Amino acid sequence: EDQVTQSPEALRLQEGESSSLNCSYTVSGLRGLFWYRQDPGKGPEFLFTLYSAGEEKEKERLKATLTKKESFLHITAPKPEDSATYLCAVQVSSNDYKLSFGAGTTVTVRA
Amino acid sequence: NAGVTQTPKFRVLKTGQSMTLLCAQDMNHEYMYWYRQDPGMGLRLIHYSVGEGTTAKGEVPDGYNVSRLKKQNFLLGLESAAPSQTSVYFCASSGYPPGQGNYGYTFGSGTRLTVV
Repeated sequence: EDQVTQSPEALRLQEGESSSLNCSYTVSGLRGLFWYRQDPGKGPEFLFTLYSAGEEKEKERLKATLTKKESFLHITAPKPEDSATYLCAVQVSSNDYKLSFGAGTTVTVRA
Repeated sequence: NAGVTQTPKFRVLKTGQSMTLLCAQDMNHEYMYWYRQDPGMGLRLIHYSVGEGTTAKGEVPDGYNVSRLKKQNFLLGLESAAPSQTSVYFCASSGYPPGQGNYGYTFGSGTRLTVV
């Protein structure tokens, strides 16, 4: 069975303290890996899609990387507004409309 | 503002009651999805649609039905609600199927449903 595991479950950071979130997956074949941000009481907001090992994408203080078994979301010099739950999801087949989501990592950035 | 609108935002149902959740998008997207989100678990796909008049089962379809009579609307029905259906329901839409380009889903803000 396809599995997506995110760690840690929660992360508390001081403003400016860089860190990384992990998304590991055990799937039969990866078609794409997606990162979303979710604020409390809101729906997820799309951040990145990664397709192949070695690929990297950046947006402001966020950078996502992909290896054959996991993805990392690096947060550089975070600000309080980066506080959110970050979700990753995988697509196994190009004909498969199901994205398998991890449970998320809740990041809290203190000023 | 363009986006995905879900109604209602909150609802409390008694066991056995029925209800319909409405999702409307104004981005002319072909693909629409219904997910549920439970504490400690990832989002799980209930049903999806790849175009007007089409529907398909997702990962957890039992106890739910859907319809997509108009391209912009995707309805999720609960015929006989059960406490296990207490959850937050999210609708999403996309202009492309997953895995094409740097495109993701646009999610609505959710419906919090409690079944007592």
